[in-house]
Amino acid sequence: AQKVTQAQTEISVVEKEDVTLDCVYETRDTTYYLFWYKQPPSGELVFLIRRNSFDEQNEISGRYSWNFQKSTSSFNFTITASQVVDSAVYFCALRGGSTLGRLYFGRGTQLTVWP
Amino acid sequence: EPEVTQTPSHQVTQMGQEVILRCVPISNHLYFYWYRQILGQKVEFLVSFYNNEISEKSEIFDDQFSVERPDGSNFTLKIRSTKLEDSAMYFCASSEISSGVYEQYFGPGTRLTVT
Repeated sequence: AQKVTQAQTEISVVEKEDVTLDCVYETRDTTYYLFWYKQPPSGELVFLIRRNSFDEQNEISGRYSWNFQKSTSSFNFTITASQVVDSAVYFCALRGGSTLGRLYFGRGTQLTVWP
Repeated sequence: EPEVTQTPSHQVTQMGQEVILRCVPISNHLYFYWYRQILGQKVEFLVSFYNNEISEKSEIFDDQFSVERPDGSNFTLKIRSTKLEDSAMYFCASSEISSGVYEQYFGPGTRLTVT
């Protein structure tokens, strides 16, 4: 079975603070894919990143960075120097071995960045 | 940049009525999906569609639901007899399969309200 847990329901920070969103996953597949999506107040789902299970390199994109650790089944997302525009719900998602299979989403973390 | 589009953005219907939600996937994508998100909850998979047939469906996708690709560009989700609990945001997604990149790109969603 595939499962994604985002234990943090809501996080509030003040602008310029760093914030880490946690994601823990469960899967029996040896090959799998992990994703982060952003859902701003307007409601759409914006793709942020995909990580393959065989690639544990961490990734940085501007103020965003992702830490993938297979040993702890975690795929955490850090925003450095947060901005008000980062306020959104962030979803972690998992796809099992099939490259075109369904996504399993976590419950999301509501991030609010205060000015 | 190509994007998935969905119409209408908001649909209000009475319980028991049929609704059709429409999606235009990205033009060179061949794999299509419907997901839904009940307000404040996680995004849930409904169905995937490839080569004019359903590839996978979830337990939510019962006989009240159907999908169709009526022409070369549209992908529709029909709910035959809506229930109050069908009120949700419905997202269409599409994926390219030829380039080895399998991200699911989501449309902006249709908010369905059943009264």
